[in-house]
Amino acid sequence: GDSVTQMEGPVTLSEEAFLTINCTYTATGYPSLFWYVQYPGEGLQLLLKATKADDKGSNKGFEATYRKETTSFHLEKGSVQVSDSAVYFCALSGLSNDYKLSFGAGTTVTVRA
Amino acid sequence: DSGVTQTPKHLITATGQRVTLRCSPRSGDLSVYWYQQSLDQGLQFLIQYYNGEERAKGNILERFSAQQFPDLHSELNLSSLELGDSALYFCASSVTDNNEQFFGPGTRLTVL
Repeated sequence: GDSVTQMEGPVTLSEEAFLTINCTYTATGYPSLFWYVQYPGEGLQLLLKATKADDKGSNKGFEATYRKETTSFHLEKGSVQVSDSAVYFCALSGLSNDYKLSFGAGTTVTVRA
Repeated sequence: DSGVTQTPKHLITATGQRVTLRCSPRSGDLSVYWYQQSLDQGLQFLIQYYNGEERAKGNILERFSAQQFPDLHSELNLSSLELGDSALYFCASSVTDNNEQFFGPGTRLTVL
């Protein structure tokens, strides 16, 4: 079945550091790929998405490129801020008619001032 | 604010009891999804409704059921509760069967 594997962390960084969270997926066909972010005490928010190979999703300085050849969708940000401290989830959907999301385990990121 | 509302925010109950979680989707959204977030299982899809009809089922226990009403709000019913049902339950909605889902703030269920 469909699955997502992501770097579990936790990851601790200093402000202005470079962030990468690895995400790979297993699926037949061409799923849509997402990164969701969960801030402390809140629900999930869509951070960015890509719906086909080589698409780059970007938002709030975060980027991820849909790599079909490596079945990956790694999240990157060049200069993190304290406000980026959150749990980040990689997810996929769209391989069946129900569009349910299959999530990775989540990566906790803490940015220190 | 995603526009998806969930009530209650917190729920504490005892084993063997039954509870109902409520979700109001964003205005105009026809599709509602329920997810469970627990420490050991992570985020798992439970069930989806589209315009009142069940569309898909995931890892939902037989003790759990859901429905979507004509006004499109949805309820998730959990019965014969066990300690392991303690989790955060999220509702998400989308306009149709497209795949951009907007999540509510969740209901934290604690079973004692």
